[in-house]
Order: sequence, then structure tokens, then C-alpha cells
Amino acid sequence: NAGVTQTPKFQVLKTGQSMTLQCAQDMNHNSMYWYRQDPGMGLRLIYYSASEGTTDKGEVPNGYNVSRLNKREFSLRLESAAPSQTSVYFCASNSRDRGRFNYGYTFGSGTRLTVV
Amino acid sequence: LAKTTQPISMDSYEGQEVNITCSHNNIATNDYITWYQQFPSQGPRFIIQGYKTKVTNEVASLFIPADRKSSTLSLPRVSLSDTAVYYCLVEGYSTLTFGKGTMLLVSP
Repeated sequence: NAGVTQTPKFQVLKTGQSMTLQCAQDMNHNSMYWYRQDPGMGLRLIYYSASEGTTDKGEVPNGYNVSRLNKREFSLRLESAAPSQTSVYFCASNSRDRGRFNYGYTFGSGTRLTVV
Repeated sequence: LAKTTQPISMDSYEGQEVNITCSHNNIATNDYITWYQQFPSQGPRFIIQGYKTKVTNEVASLFIPADRKSSTLSLPRVSLSDTAVYYCLVEGYSTLTFGKGTMLLVSP
């Protein structure tokens, strides 16, 4: 039972390069999320997907795009990386179901991205 | 969005009980309160969740007063391995934001 799997774990990019962070969950969760974590800033939501086929902006979406490929997979793309996007990125999923008790998020182990 | 406020840091010693309080003044009727634990280089991990009154599991207790404008995470008899950042999150259909968390340092 892998939970939430993120790849890669580490990445160094040059300014202007593009890349896609991959995330997959095997818990049949409806909702998936991408967060970034910077020192002293806590976790900030970039994008989320409440269900397959839908995506919505979070608190800090600029410079990112997402794709909910299917129920299991939710990818985050940086089209032209900038040093300000140096951060640790976490993917999470949640079995959010209206009217039922919510048991919280399951997080991946993170991707540490450095843009030089 | 329901914003949360928690202390930036707390210190404790092994074997003591630690209580971390979070305020969430504009919590909505359908929102739940969830606490997460995060170790360095790892993603946050679910600890406990509640709606009102008291919830207890094998690692912690969560106390929520009747007005639900605050909550307190109680960690009994902490050990060095409980040193981590603890996040309070108000979870609802439109609430998806974490605060900055409380850095708990447990010393021998």
C-alpha cells in the first residue's frame, strides 16, 4: 500500500527550463492537491482537483499548470522555471465526500526543487 | 477561508504533557478540525480530527469547546521523537489552507 507517490524526489533546474512533477495515489481518493513549502511559510496550496476532470487554483498558482490525468494521477508542470519556484513540493490526496466524515489528507514524501 | 493561529514554537521535556492551542474564530458549521505532524524532509502526517467536544486516539487527544473557535491538541508524555512541526487545519468544502504550524522541541 504505497499511499501517495511523488517523483522525482530531487531536481535541479536552470532558469527557464520546464519540468513536470508526477503524483499518483492508490487509495481511490477523489481529491488531489499540490502544495509548496518554503521556510517560515508553512504549506501553501498551488492547485487542487476535487474530482477527475476538474482543477482549481489555490493560493499561489502563478507559474504552474496542472493536469488531472485520471483518478489516480495529478501532475504539476513548471513551464519556465524561476528561482522563486525553488521549494519543496508536496502532493496530497483526500477522500472528500460531502456529508461524510473527513479523515484528512495523505501526503507524499515531497520533491525538493532547486532552480538556479 | 477559516484562518488559524497557533504559537510559532513551544519547548518541553521528555515525559511532560504538551498542549498546543489553535484559534479559528471564523470556523464554519461544516468544518472539521484536523491536526498534522511533520518531521523534516517528510510530508505532514495525520494525527487526529474532531468536530466538537473531545476526541482521543492512541497518540493524542483533541479538545474542542462548544463555540468551536479554538482547539487544543494534547500530547501525553512526549518523547524526543515528538519533536516536529504541528499544524492545525480547519477542513471544510472550501478550506484548504494550512497555517505556519507550531515547532515543538522536546529536550531530554
